[in-house]
Amino acid sequence: AQSVTQPDIHITVSEGASLELRCNYSYGATPYLFWYVQSPGQGLQLLLKYFSGDTLVQGIKGFEAEFKRSQSSFNLRKPSVHWSDAAEYFCAGTGANNLFFGTGTRLTVIP
Amino acid sequence: NAGVTQTPKFQVLKTGQSMTLQCAQDMNHEYMSWYRQDPGMGLRLIHYSVGAGITDQGEVPNGYNVSRSTTEDFPLRLLSAAPSQTSVYFCASSYSDSSYEQYFGPGTRLTVT
Repeated sequence: AQSVTQPDIHITVSEGASLELRCNYSYGATPYLFWYVQSPGQGLQLLLKYFSGDTLVQGIKGFEAEFKRSQSSFNLRKPSVHWSDAAEYFCAGTGANNLFFGTGTRLTVIP
Repeated sequence: NAGVTQTPKFQVLKTGQSMTLQCAQDMNHEYMSWYRQDPGMGLRLIHYSVGAGITDQGEVPNGYNVSRSTTEDFPLRLLSAAPSQTSVYFCASSYSDSSYEQYFGPGTRLTVT
């Protein structure tokens, strides 16, 4: 079955530190992959997406993600985290006509 | 553009009551969808539509009905509310299908007592 997995439920980082959020996918073919961010009490906003081509994808707010077929991963990274990055992050992949979401990773940023 | 709008923002229902969650978009998107978000479970697809007059079931459709009479509107109906339907509901739309960026509404927090 098609799915995405986010193994980390909660991550805490210090402001200014680097960040990597993990996402693994299980698909028959190369999926379309996305990272969304949800601030408290808000809807989801797209950070970046991977369809094909260059495996390093740049997104908004200084985020990037790397698609690694050999590891079935699509991890999200940011070199220096800001306090405003505290939110919940969702990895998602496309199915036949829908989007499958991971269970989310909550990011806490400490000063 | 207002984007994707949802009403109401909050709702409390008693078990057995019915209600309709409203969703509208002004981006002329063909694809619209409804998700529910529960703690520890991420977002799960309830129903989706690829255009006016066309709807289909997602992962968790039981207890919910949808219709799509216009491109703009995609209401979600709870026929007989149950406590298990307590959740946050998000409507989303995209240009053509799920491979495109989805734009999310602000959500409706529903409590069923």
